[in-house]
Amino acid sequence: SSELTQDPAVSVALGQTVRITCQGDSLRSYFASWYQQKPGQAPVLVISGKNNRPSGIPDRFSGSSSGNTASLTITGTQAEDEADYYCNSRDSSGNPRVFGGGTKLTVL
Amino acid sequence: EVQLVESGGGLVQPGRSLRLSCAASGFTFDDYAMHWVRQAPGKGLEWVSGISWNSGSIDYADSVKGRFTISRDNAKNSLYLQMNSLRAEDTALYYCAKDVGGSCSVVDYWGQGTLVTVSS
Repeated sequence: SSELTQDPAVSVALGQTVRITCQGDSLRSYFASWYQQKPGQAPVLVISGKNNRPSGIPDRFSGSSSGNTASLTITGTQAEDEADYYCNSRDSSGNPRVFGGGTKLTVL
Repeated sequence: EVQLVESGGGLVQPGRSLRLSCAASGFTFDDYAMHWVRQAPGKGLEWVSGISWNSGSIDYADSVKGRFTISRDNAKNSLYLQMNSLRAEDTALYYCAKDVGGSCSVVDYWGQGTLVTVSS
């Protein structure tokens, strides 16, 4: 299967920890990448590989993976973390072909 | 600073063609693979096409295969997407995106996008 499944919406209280998950067969072979997208803006890479944060991404963002499930964890969630989050994986051709449907994170 | 600036979007009738361009700066363009990713209004992200650093490896989403052609000009630090036989379902914001390496793998930087609207 070349699909990635995400919960459409997740909410978290300010300052708490939230985990956003992504499921798919391709995750058994490839790490997920995670992108944050705020309204009217381009996506921003927040996690790639095993648990790599690009420069400028706060260390409250972390990634993990087990079997066919990848997770993005935000520890001590801030108001500015409210956004859509998309997971992405490579397929057998090596291309980053597969995106999850996105998770809308609401910070309460 | 990596900058990717897309252009060429607009309103086009079904069945017609459009060519998107992406001007890259702030990095050594010919070291990196590049991609086009689109987002229909209010919808999620869809990978469209990718091209390796030397154009030796090119791939397309099934939804555009045979209609779209990706290309690059490393001398001009530019990426292109030729879109033919456009359909209403091709309406989307088209992002130019940079890969982390020379072969297609992971997107790390995105442009701001150019809007393509296919409608009669």
